[in-house]
Amino acid sequence: QVQLVQSGAEVKKPGASVKVSCKASGYTFTSYGISWVRQAPGQGLEWMGWISAYNGNTNYAQKFQGRVTMTTDTSTSTAYMDLRSLRSDDTAVYYCARERPYYYYMDVWGKGTTVTVSS
Amino acid sequence: QSALTQPPSASGSPGQSVTISCTGTSSDVGGYNYVSWYQQHPGKAPKLMIYEVSKRPSGVPDRFSGSKSGNTASLTVSGLQAEDDADYYCSSYAGSNNNVVFGGGTKLTVL
Repeated sequence: QVQLVQSGAEVKKPGASVKVSCKASGYTFTSYGISWVRQAPGQGLEWMGWISAYNGNTNYAQKFQGRVTMTTDTSTSTAYMDLRSLRSDDTAVYYCARERPYYYYMDVWGKGTTVTVSS
Repeated sequence: QSALTQPPSASGSPGQSVTISCTGTSSDVGGYNYVSWYQQHPGKAPKLMIYEVSKRPSGVPDRFSGSKSGNTASLTVSGLQAEDDADYYCSSYAGSNNNVVFGGGTKLTVL
């Protein structure tokens, strides 16, 4: 079955970086892209950006440009999201989700990775 | 502040219908037929319920329907059931700069 399996919870100090992974299975990885969406405690969903698994093209939300890098490894069907210069308000659950290019909806989601930023 | 505006809460009794609105602008909801809706139960990942304004993915009950008029999209849940009690988020394509935007979410309570 189609699934996205994310890496485990992380605890980071302010100023550090975090890299979250998302391993895909059950479909042709390069036929889709991966979006990253985060959700702060008790808050709504926030789109961070999208990466094409076909050619590595990215679209980042303006809010995160310069601080986020999304990559893929087609040999392992894994997507990565690297967020730098962490602040306390980056504390959130980070989700990866499958999104076909130019369709703008996310049809399969990972279970989420909790990132806690605390001194 | 979210890019798309949803009511914070909605409610209905089992068997009733409820409609949740999602208001944007001509740069997002009104400009493209790329509105989608997601259901999220506490502690769980979101689940796609509607895409491209009114299409239902395989496995989503036909009690869920979507529509759009101008800059406002709507999700209607008919024949409410206990398991529909959840948070619902709309999202829309917003052009090449903003790409995808979400609403603030609506907590649907089945009374």
